[in-house]
Amino acid sequence: DAGVIQSPRHEVTEMGQEVTLRCKPISGHDYLFWYRQTMMRGLELLIYFNNNVPIDDSGMPEDRFSAKMPNASFSTLKIQPSEPRDSAVYFCASSPGTSGSAYNEQFFGPGTRLTVL
Amino acid sequence: AQSVTQLDSQVPVFEEAPVELRCNYSSSVSVYLFWYVQYPNQGLQLLLKYLSGSTLVKGINGFEAEFNKSQTSFHLRKPSVHISDTAEYFCAVTPLHGSARQLTFGSGTQLTVLP
Repeated sequence: DAGVIQSPRHEVTEMGQEVTLRCKPISGHDYLFWYRQTMMRGLELLIYFNNNVPIDDSGMPEDRFSAKMPNASFSTLKIQPSEPRDSAVYFCASSPGTSGSAYNEQFFGPGTRLTVL
Repeated sequence: AQSVTQLDSQVPVFEEAPVELRCNYSSSVSVYLFWYVQYPNQGLQLLLKYLSGSTLVKGINGFEAEFNKSQTSFHLRKPSVHISDTAEYFCAVTPLHGSARQLTFGSGTQLTVLP
């Protein structure tokens, strides 16, 4: 099992540019989560999906952020336009939907380190 | 709503010494509890979880945690730490019932094991 895959691992961009982060969840997982990690605010949940449908996007900071999940194996988080304060590590996680030993456990990807200059 | 408090932001300890990382939570509903570990430049990895049953939970790498409902705590312990245990540790909770699946994380504890 390849685990949760995120790309790119590092992204450096200039203020005002569009940034797209990508995530491939573990096959068969029904839930997908996007988190942001900063020194100031720690780990913050941005949005999560169940069966490709956004369930809770209350953590999305503002309209510049958008997330999509067009199918069960792919999700994107887009920032347009980007700002220096968006610099952070962005994590994607997935979770199985049914009961079992991994119920409610989230499996994290390696993260994308975003730097906005 | 839930909240998680990790009482120590940094814990330095010498190699082979015991360690305890403290976690307290607040919730109006019953919760599942988790400890995750984050090694430098990596994602979070599950150490252990409490769902039900025995309040003493054993996890990977020799860690264990004890759920104390009356004190709303879930402290993480290891009897003898190694240099390789140096990492950031996160306590997290999620509601036991209902459709909400998001984890609420604490602010993290940086464990540094000294030679």
